[in-house]
Amino acid sequence: KAGVTQTPRYLIKTRGQQVTLSCSPISGHRSVSWYQQTPGQGLQFLFEYFSETQRNKGNFPGRFSGRQFSNSRSEMNVSTLELGDSALYLCASSLTGHTNTGELFFGEGSRLTVL
Amino acid sequence: DQQVKQNSPSLSVQEGRISILNCDYTNSMFDYFLWYKKYPAEGPTFLISISSIKDKNEDGRFTVFLNKSAKHLSLHIVPSQPGDSAVYFCAARTNTGNQFYFGTGTSLTVIP
Repeated sequence: KAGVTQTPRYLIKTRGQQVTLSCSPISGHRSVSWYQQTPGQGLQFLFEYFSETQRNKGNFPGRFSGRQFSNSRSEMNVSTLELGDSALYLCASSLTGHTNTGELFFGEGSRLTVL
Repeated sequence: DQQVKQNSPSLSVQEGRISILNCDYTNSMFDYFLWYKKYPAEGPTFLISISSIKDKNEDGRFTVFLNKSAKHLSLHIVPSQPGDSAVYFCAARTNTGNQFYFGTGTSLTVIP
């Protein structure tokens, strides 16, 4: 079974630009979550989608947005990029969105550098 | 507001000895706690979890202990192996959704 796939793996943008990251969850998984990882901050929750609906949202500005398609694939977008947006963006999928094990399956991440 | 805290950024342990990684939390609504392991250039992988109704869960060399009164979680690795060298994240989930709160991670180095 293929794992969580994130594209692109690496990208460089400049301040003010916007970026779109893509995530394909494990087949059959309907919940997709996004996390931002920066040094010293750990993984910060961005949002979670389940069946094309945003169910939870973290404390990030409105420049960060996402969506989920009918095939459960998800995208997140960051507009008007700032230097502080440089981070590893991780996508995670889970089967139902509230499993007993609480297990998330993570992709390898998209490393965004903002210059 | 960091609801899950890992106060030790790094830990070094001799091969064969016990590794103890600690985690503290503040939210009494957390119902599930997990440990993830992360190697460089890879996403975190699930290691072990524990429900808030238990105080111990064991899986091979890995044991997680939960002390709810102290709001403290720990991961014990016995015996430690060089392949265990990685960053370990503690995470917690509330009983109201699928949002996970992660600690900042502890980098474990197991010295051969």
